Amino acid sequence: QVQLQESGPGLVKPSQTLSLTCTVSGGSTTSGGYYWSWIRQYPGKGLEWIGNIYYTGSADYNPSLKSRVSISIDTSKNQFSLMLSSVTAADTAVYYCGRFNRVSPDTNGMDVWGQGTTVIVSS
Amino acid sequence: DIQMTQSPSSVSASVGDSVSITCRASQDISKWLAWYQQRPGKAPKVLICAASTLQSGVPSRFSGSGSGTDFTLTISSLQPEDFATYYCQQTDSFPYTFGRGTKLEIK
Repeated sequence: QVQLQESGPGLVKPSQTLSLTCTVSGGSTTSGGYYWSWIRQYPGKGLEWIGNIYYTGSADYNPSLKSRVSISIDTSKNQFSLMLSSVTAADTAVYYCGRFNRVSPDTNGMDVWGQGTTVIVSS
Repeated sequence: DIQMTQSPSSVSASVGDSVSITCRASQDISKWLAWYQQRPGKAPKVLICAASTLQSGVPSRFSGSGSGTDFTLTISSLQPEDFATYYCQQTDSFPYTFGRGTKLEIK
């Protein structure tokens, strides 16, 4: 059973770069049809899709964040990472990594989620 | 971006009742809609993909319908564990946007 686990600092200072890593266990990041994703949930509970990456390294980003966000993948470590630059208090959220399943049209959705990690942006 | 409008924002019901939650997309998304359940302090869990395909392990009392811009999640015979928040997400085009959620509370 595939499991995901986020790791990284829980507190980031304004204007700095938020950096999180998601470790995949019980499966491989090179499995075809799966897109490795980052989603965040604001304190008011709204969910925002940040972006995803395929094992080939091809990534897609939310245009609202595109100038600040980068997602990378290290298949040798079975990990993928998020970097978000120039953070402000508005970036305070629970950050989830997840697996978007495109193996078949009937499974198009986030079928595996990490437990989430809270990131607070504050000086 | 495609806007997803969920209604109601909250609903109260009793164990054994049936409830329906609707999600409207700001443009045609065909069948590309997923539904998630989120319990307090937990990550969301996918229930339905492609508008009506029940995902593995999800009880059959959950069902989804709709296409184009209007979609419905129906939960029949509510169980205590069903009281949670439900979100829709369009998976038609980037960025994959979510509805604002519907909180299902016990009456």
